[in-house]
Parts: sequence; C-alpha cells; structure tokens
Amino acid sequence: SQQGEEDPQALSIQEGENATMNCSYKTSINNLQWYRQNSGRGLVHLILIRSNEREKHSGRLRVTLDTSKKSSSLLITASRAADTASYFCATGAAAETSGSRLTFGEGTQLTVNP
Amino acid sequence: NAGVTQTPKFRVLKTGQSMTLLCAQDMNHEYMYWYRQDPGMGLRLIHYSVGEGTTAKGEVPDGYNVSRLKKQNFLLGLESAAPSQTSVYFCASSPFRAYEQYFGPGTRLTVT
Repeated sequence: SQQGEEDPQALSIQEGENATMNCSYKTSINNLQWYRQNSGRGLVHLILIRSNEREKHSGRLRVTLDTSKKSSSLLITASRAADTASYFCATGAAAETSGSRLTFGEGTQLTVNP
Repeated sequence: NAGVTQTPKFRVLKTGQSMTLLCAQDMNHEYMYWYRQDPGMGLRLIHYSVGEGTTAKGEVPDGYNVSRLKKQNFLLGLESAAPSQTSVYFCASSPFRAYEQYFGPGTRLTVT
C-alpha cells in the first residue's frame, strides 16, 4: 500500500506565483524526501528532511514536516515555467535497518503557465 | 560520470516472452533498487539489493527476478511476460547509510 498521499493531484498556477503541495503518511518515519520528475524522465532528488527537523530550505524550496500530524508540505516560491513537472514525496520508515528503502506517494502534477 | 544508466530504453514483448533489463551505476553505491511506475501512480518497489550478491523482495515482486553479481550492475528479469507488466521501470541507487536515491532514465515496456 502507498505510504504517502499527496494533495492536490494537479495544480496549475501562473509564473511568479507560489506552489504548495502536501503529503500525508501513515507510519513512523526517519526521513521524508521530495523528488521531481519531468515528463518522460527519471526522478531527481530535491530535498530531504529528517524526522527531528521541522523545516528546511534549499533555494526556492521550503519543506515543512509535522510528525504529530504525519504530514509534510513543499513550497516552491516564485515559480517558473521550468518547474512544470510531477512532484513526489517519499518516506523512509523508522524501522528500516538497511537498504534505505523508500515508499512513494502518487505525486502532484504541477503546471506553471508562462 | 554517467550516474545510473538503463538498457534498453524501450521494449515491446509478446505475452510469455522473457527479457532482462540492465541497470548500471558508476558511483560505487551499495544499494540498488528496481521500481515500476504505472499511470497516475507513484513508484512501487519490486526488488532491491543492499550489496553485491544480495537481493530482497519489495512491495510487488511477483513475476520478476533479480541478480546482483557485480556491485555496479543490477539486473531485472521477466521470465514469462504478462500484459499486467506493461509499465515504466526505473532503477535507482543509493550510497551506504544515505537516504537519497539516484534514478536512471527508465525503460518503457509494453507487453501485448
């Protein structure tokens, strides 16, 4: 079963606006990651937040994590047409002892209109 | 530094045929993974490996086999392809005790 559920499934905004995507998960985690997938391509790692962190920034990306609500959000500020892609959250289980396995959500399709 | 590469990029099989997908990484990563991605869904883990000579089942292993004879290569085999295995297959790798994964470009497989 999918660990992460993402909301919304699709998001369409204008260039320059901010985009916010949300991810909820069910079991205890030790880390949560966000990946981007451009059409027809593989996934690219964007940012990782550990379970003892509440917020993390990387360039125009801001990730928050609320372990009490088992949820995370990804904010992309000042969006560009090149940000058009699918965004996936992925969680690493707290009980994971080896292999760094991840469970992926179903993704949010972001479209940034010029 | 090519990262993670996958061959072939596209393949069409008839039901019952077999094939092997090859994943190679040149980053000396310990961990390697095979996922499948179906329309409107996230990635589901098929099999993974925590080191040369080791493999383990993921979430959806039925109908697939894997081998990791060399650290840099991870092979995914379909012994008797079924239409339900029509999907895009992604390989990924990860360094020892690291969490982030590095993905290949994918193989689009159609089984008719």
